[in-house]
Amino acid sequence: AQSVAQPEDQVNVAEGNPLTVKCTYSVSGNPYLFWYVQYPNRGLQFLLKYITGDNLVKGSYGFEAEFNKSQTSFHLKKPSALVSDSALYFCAVRDANQAGTALIFGKGTTLSVSS
Amino acid sequence: DADVTQTPRNRITKTGKRIMLECSQTKGHDRMYWYRQDPGLGLRLIYYSFDVKDINKGEISDGYSVSRQAQAKFSLSLESAIPNQTALYFCATQDIRDSEKLFFGSGTQLSVL
Repeated sequence: AQSVAQPEDQVNVAEGNPLTVKCTYSVSGNPYLFWYVQYPNRGLQFLLKYITGDNLVKGSYGFEAEFNKSQTSFHLKKPSALVSDSALYFCAVRDANQAGTALIFGKGTTLSVSS
Repeated sequence: DADVTQTPRNRITKTGKRIMLECSQTKGHDRMYWYRQDPGLGLRLIYYSFDVKDINKGEISDGYSVSRQAQAKFSLSLESAIPNQTALYFCATQDIRDSEKLFFGSGTQLSVL
C-alpha cells in the first residue's frame, strides 16, 4: 500500500525567511512524488514533481523540493517566503511500480507567511 | 482550471436524497478522478477512471457511485445522501504525457442536512 504523511498541520514563517514544508512517504516500489498548492476557494494547482533523476527538483513560484530516498522524504522548500505563498500545500505519491494506481494525497499543511 | 468544469458549485440537500455531481473536461485526457476534501483529512480518493470502459474504486467508495458517460464526462452520485458526506468534492483529469500531472476543477461544496 502507498501512503504519504505531512507531520505539520501548520507552518508559520516571516516574509523573507526560508520555508520548509515536510512530507514523508511509503511505497513498495519507486515513488512518483508531487506537491500541489490550494489557494482559498480554488482547486489544487500543480507545483512540482519528482519522477526520476536529480534529487533536487525545481517548480513553480520559486519552490523546490528535495527527494531523499533513505529518509523517504520529499520536503518542499523556498529560500525566501512571500506573503502570497500563504496557502494549503499537499504532498502526493504514487507507486511507480504499481500500474493502474492513483495518486494518494497527504492531509495538507497550511503555510502562513507574515509580513 | 476552466478546462475542468464542475457543476453545481454549491449544493444543499437533505438526508436520504439522491444527488449527482457532474464533471466535464475539454483537455482530452483519458484519466479522471473524484476526490473529497475534509478539514484535517486532506484529499481522499473516491473513484477513478482510466478510460470510458474502466472504473476503479478508491479509498472511500462506499456510499458513492460513478458514471463515465464519455471521455469528457465523469459523474459522481450519492444514492442516499448522509450528513457525513458533507464535504468539498473535486474532480480532476490527468495528463499521462506530462508526468501524470493532475488538473483540478474548482470544486463542489456539498452540504447534507
